[in-house]
Amino acid sequence: QKEVEQDPGPLSVPEGAIVSLNCTYSNSAFQYFMWYRQYSRKGPELLMYTYSSGNKEDGRFTAQVDKSSKYISLFIRDSQPSDSATYLCAMSVYNTDKLIFGTGTRLQVFP
Amino acid sequence: DGGITQSPKYLFRKEGQNVTLSCEQNLNHDAMYWYRQDPGQGLRLIYYSQIVNDFQKGDIAEGYSVSREKKESFPLTVTSAQKNPTAFYLCASRDPPSNQPQHFGDGTRLSIL
Repeated sequence: QKEVEQDPGPLSVPEGAIVSLNCTYSNSAFQYFMWYRQYSRKGPELLMYTYSSGNKEDGRFTAQVDKSSKYISLFIRDSQPSDSATYLCAMSVYNTDKLIFGTGTRLQVFP
Repeated sequence: DGGITQSPKYLFRKEGQNVTLSCEQNLNHDAMYWYRQDPGQGLRLIYYSQIVNDFQKGDIAEGYSVSREKKESFPLTVTSAQKNPTAFYLCASRDPPSNQPQHFGDGTRLSIL
Protein backbone atom coordinates (compact mmCIF):
# COMPACT_ATOMS: atom_id res chain seq x y z
CA GLN A 1 0.00 0.00 0.00
CA LYS A 2 1.29 3.44 -0.92
CA GLU A 3 1.82 5.98 1.85
CA VAL A 4 -0.29 8.51 -0.05
CA GLU A 5 -3.21 7.61 -2.31
CA GLN A 6 -4.71 9.99 -4.86
CA ASP A 7 -7.27 9.28 -7.58
CA PRO A 8 -5.57 9.98 -10.94
CA GLY A 9 -8.77 11.13 -12.68
CA PRO A 10 -9.24 12.68 -15.12
CA LEU A 11 -11.92 14.77 -13.48
CA SER A 12 -13.94 16.76 -16.00
CA VAL A 13 -16.24 19.57 -14.80
CA PRO A 14 -18.04 22.55 -16.37
CA GLU A 15 -16.84 26.09 -15.75
CA GLY A 16 -18.22 27.48 -12.48
CA ALA A 17 -18.44 24.09 -10.74
CA ILE A 18 -17.08 23.38 -7.28
CA VAL A 19 -14.24 20.87 -7.50
CA SER A 20 -13.19 18.53 -4.72
CA LEU A 21 -9.78 16.84 -4.87
CA ASN A 22 -8.74 14.34 -2.23
CA CYS A 23 -5.84 12.34 -0.82
CA THR A 24 -5.67 9.69 1.84
CA TYR A 25 -2.55 8.69 3.72
CA SER A 26 -1.42 5.97 6.07
CA ASN A 27 1.40 7.56 8.10
CA SER A 28 -0.04 9.23 11.20
CA ALA A 29 3.25 11.11 11.69
CA PHE A 30 2.55 13.46 8.76
CA GLN A 31 1.99 16.98 10.03
CA TYR A 32 2.55 19.26 7.04
CA PHE A 33 0.27 19.10 4.02
CA MET A 34 0.64 20.77 0.66
CA TRP A 35 -1.22 21.07 -2.61
CA TYR A 36 0.68 21.81 -5.80
CA ARG A 37 -0.71 22.62 -9.24
CA GLN A 38 1.22 21.40 -12.27
CA TYR A 39 0.55 22.52 -15.83
CA SER A 40 1.71 20.35 -18.69
CA ARG A 41 5.51 20.42 -19.14
CA LYS A 42 5.94 22.74 -16.17
CA GLY A 43 7.11 22.32 -12.59
CA PRO A 44 4.69 22.05 -9.65
CA GLU A 45 3.51 25.38 -8.24
CA LEU A 46 2.64 25.61 -4.55
CA LEU A 47 -1.05 26.39 -4.00
CA MET A 48 -1.73 25.68 -0.34
CA TYR A 49 0.32 24.77 2.71
CA THR A 50 -1.25 23.73 5.99
CA TYR A 51 -0.11 22.38 9.30
CA SER A 52 -2.15 19.95 11.38
CA SER A 53 -5.93 19.71 11.11
CA GLY A 54 -8.47 22.30 10.02
CA ASN A 55 -9.30 24.50 7.05
CA LYS A 56 -7.31 27.14 5.22
CA GLU A 57 -8.77 29.43 2.60
CA ASP A 58 -7.02 31.46 -0.10
CA GLY A 59 -9.26 33.08 -2.68
CA ARG A 60 -11.16 30.36 -4.56
CA PHE A 61 -9.13 27.60 -2.91
CA THR A 62 -9.79 25.88 0.42
CA ALA A 63 -7.55 23.20 1.89
CA GLN A 64 -8.97 20.87 4.50
CA VAL A 65 -7.08 18.41 6.71
CA ASP A 66 -8.73 15.69 8.80
CA LYS A 67 -5.93 13.96 10.67
CA SER A 68 -8.29 11.61 12.51
CA SER A 69 -9.40 10.16 9.15
CA LYS A 70 -6.00 10.65 7.48
CA TYR A 71 -7.70 12.55 4.69
CA ILE A 72 -6.97 15.87 3.00
CA SER A 73 -8.99 17.81 0.46
CA LEU A 74 -8.64 20.77 -1.86
CA PHE A 75 -11.80 22.60 -2.90
CA ILE A 76 -11.87 24.94 -5.88
CA ARG A 77 -14.86 27.28 -6.10
CA ASP A 78 -16.06 28.85 -9.35
CA SER A 79 -13.69 26.71 -11.36
CA GLN A 80 -12.18 28.23 -14.51
CA PRO A 81 -10.69 26.66 -17.67
CA SER A 82 -7.34 28.02 -16.46
CA ASP A 83 -7.63 25.66 -13.48
CA SER A 84 -7.17 22.73 -15.88
CA ALA A 85 -3.99 21.06 -14.63
CA THR A 86 -2.74 18.17 -12.54
CA TYR A 87 -3.07 18.66 -8.79
CA LEU A 88 -0.53 16.97 -6.53
CA CYS A 89 -0.91 16.49 -2.82
CA ALA A 90 2.25 16.20 -0.72
CA MET A 91 2.95 15.74 2.94
CA SER A 92 5.84 15.51 5.36
CA VAL A 93 6.74 14.66 8.90
CA TYR A 94 7.90 17.59 11.04
CA ASN A 95 11.54 18.53 10.72
CA THR A 96 12.31 16.31 7.76
CA ASP A 97 13.24 17.04 4.18
CA LYS A 98 11.26 14.17 2.76
CA LEU A 99 8.08 15.07 0.95
CA ILE A 100 5.79 12.21 0.01
CA PHE A 101 3.69 12.94 -3.07
CA GLY A 102 0.45 11.54 -4.37
CA THR A 103 0.36 10.53 -8.02
CA GLY A 104 -1.70 13.59 -8.97
CA THR A 105 -5.27 14.16 -10.19
CA ARG A 106 -5.78 15.57 -13.66
CA LEU A 107 -8.54 18.19 -13.73
CA GLN A 108 -10.24 19.48 -16.88
CA VAL A 109 -12.59 22.47 -16.67
CA PHE A 110 -14.54 22.98 -19.88
CA PRO A 111 -16.22 26.25 -20.90
CA ASP B 1 12.91 37.83 -10.12
CA GLY B 2 13.82 35.14 -7.60
CA GLY B 3 13.41 31.59 -8.71
CA ILE B 4 14.81 28.24 -9.75
CA THR B 5 16.22 27.80 -13.24
CA GLN B 6 16.63 24.39 -14.79
CA SER B 7 18.43 23.82 -18.06
CA PRO B 8 18.15 22.54 -20.65
CA LYS B 9 14.38 22.06 -21.03
CA TYR B 10 14.94 19.02 -23.25
CA LEU B 11 17.91 16.68 -23.29
CA PHE B 12 18.74 13.56 -25.27
CA ARG B 13 21.13 10.88 -24.13
CA LYS B 14 22.90 8.26 -26.17
CA GLU B 15 23.61 4.79 -24.85
CA GLY B 16 26.61 4.75 -22.52
CA GLN B 17 26.67 8.51 -22.13
CA ASN B 18 26.60 10.57 -18.95
CA VAL B 19 24.55 13.76 -19.03
CA THR B 20 24.35 16.63 -16.55
CA LEU B 21 21.22 18.60 -15.72
CA SER B 22 21.66 22.10 -14.35
CA CYS B 23 19.75 23.64 -11.44
CA GLU B 24 20.42 27.19 -10.24
CA GLN B 25 18.49 29.17 -7.61
CA ASN B 26 18.72 32.80 -6.51
CA LEU B 27 16.39 32.44 -3.54
CA ASN B 28 19.28 32.08 -1.05
CA HIS B 29 17.84 28.72 0.01
CA ASP B 30 20.08 26.33 1.89
CA ALA B 31 18.31 23.11 0.86
CA MET B 32 18.01 21.77 -2.69
CA TYR B 33 16.42 18.62 -4.09
CA TRP B 34 16.21 16.51 -7.23
CA TYR B 35 13.09 14.52 -8.12
CA ARG B 36 12.15 12.25 -10.95
CA GLN B 37 8.57 12.24 -12.30
CA ASP B 38 7.20 9.37 -14.39
CA PRO B 39 3.66 9.10 -15.80
CA GLY B 40 1.23 7.69 -13.24
CA GLN B 41 3.74 7.97 -10.41
CA GLY B 42 4.32 10.59 -7.78
CA LEU B 43 7.55 12.54 -7.60
CA ARG B 44 10.38 10.40 -6.30
CA LEU B 45 13.38 11.86 -4.47
CA ILE B 46 16.79 11.20 -6.05
CA TYR B 47 19.18 13.31 -3.96
CA TYR B 48 18.99 16.25 -1.61
CA SER B 49 21.42 18.69 -0.04
CA GLN B 50 20.89 20.74 3.10
CA ILE B 51 24.16 22.71 2.97
CA VAL B 52 27.09 23.29 0.63
CA ASN B 53 29.48 20.34 0.22
CA ASP B 54 26.99 17.90 1.73
CA PHE B 55 24.24 15.78 0.18
CA GLN B 56 22.21 12.65 0.92
CA LYS B 57 20.71 9.89 -1.19
CA GLY B 58 16.99 9.83 -1.65
CA ASP B 59 14.81 6.86 -2.51
CA ILE B 60 16.13 6.23 -6.04
CA ALA B 61 19.77 7.42 -6.09
CA GLU B 62 21.22 4.49 -8.05
CA GLY B 63 22.60 5.60 -11.41
CA TYR B 64 22.71 9.29 -10.43
CA SER B 65 25.31 11.59 -8.90
CA VAL B 66 25.27 15.17 -7.62
CA SER B 67 27.58 17.88 -6.31
CA ARG B 68 26.98 20.98 -4.19
CA GLU B 69 30.01 23.23 -4.50
CA LYS B 70 28.01 26.46 -4.37
CA LYS B 71 24.89 27.38 -2.44
CA GLU B 72 22.99 28.39 -5.58
CA SER B 73 23.86 25.36 -7.73
CA PHE B 74 22.98 21.65 -7.49
CA PRO B 75 23.73 19.81 -10.77
CA LEU B 76 22.51 16.25 -11.35
CA THR B 77 24.45 13.77 -13.49
CA VAL B 78 22.54 10.87 -15.00
CA THR B 79 25.15 8.19 -15.52
CA SER B 80 25.20 5.30 -17.97
CA ALA B 81 24.42 3.03 -15.00
CA GLN B 82 20.86 4.43 -14.96
CA LYS B 83 19.16 1.98 -17.31
CA ASN B 84 15.82 3.74 -17.54
CA PRO B 85 16.61 7.46 -17.53
CA THR B 86 13.69 8.69 -19.64
CA ALA B 87 11.68 10.93 -17.29
CA PHE B 88 10.88 14.49 -16.28
CA TYR B 89 13.46 15.76 -13.77
CA LEU B 90 12.52 18.44 -11.27
CA CYS B 91 14.75 20.51 -9.02
CA ALA B 92 13.41 22.16 -5.87
CA SER B 93 14.71 24.31 -3.05
CA ARG B 94 13.52 25.56 0.33
CA ASP B 95 14.56 27.60 3.32
CA PRO B 96 14.61 25.14 6.25
CA PRO B 97 14.72 27.69 9.11
CA SER B 98 11.39 29.14 7.98
CA ASN B 99 9.88 25.64 7.66
CA GLN B 100 8.36 26.69 4.36
CA PRO B 101 7.68 24.06 1.69
CA GLN B 102 9.71 23.30 -1.39
CA HIS B 103 9.49 25.41 -4.53
CA PHE B 104 10.16 23.88 -7.93
CA GLY B 105 11.83 24.74 -11.20
CA ASP B 106 10.20 24.00 -14.56
CA GLY B 107 11.98 20.74 -15.15
CA THR B 108 14.15 19.01 -17.73
CA ARG B 109 12.76 16.25 -19.92
CA LEU B 110 15.38 13.61 -20.63
CA SER B 111 14.93 11.13 -23.45
CA ILE B 112 17.02 8.31 -24.89
CA LEU B 113 18.21 8.46 -28.48
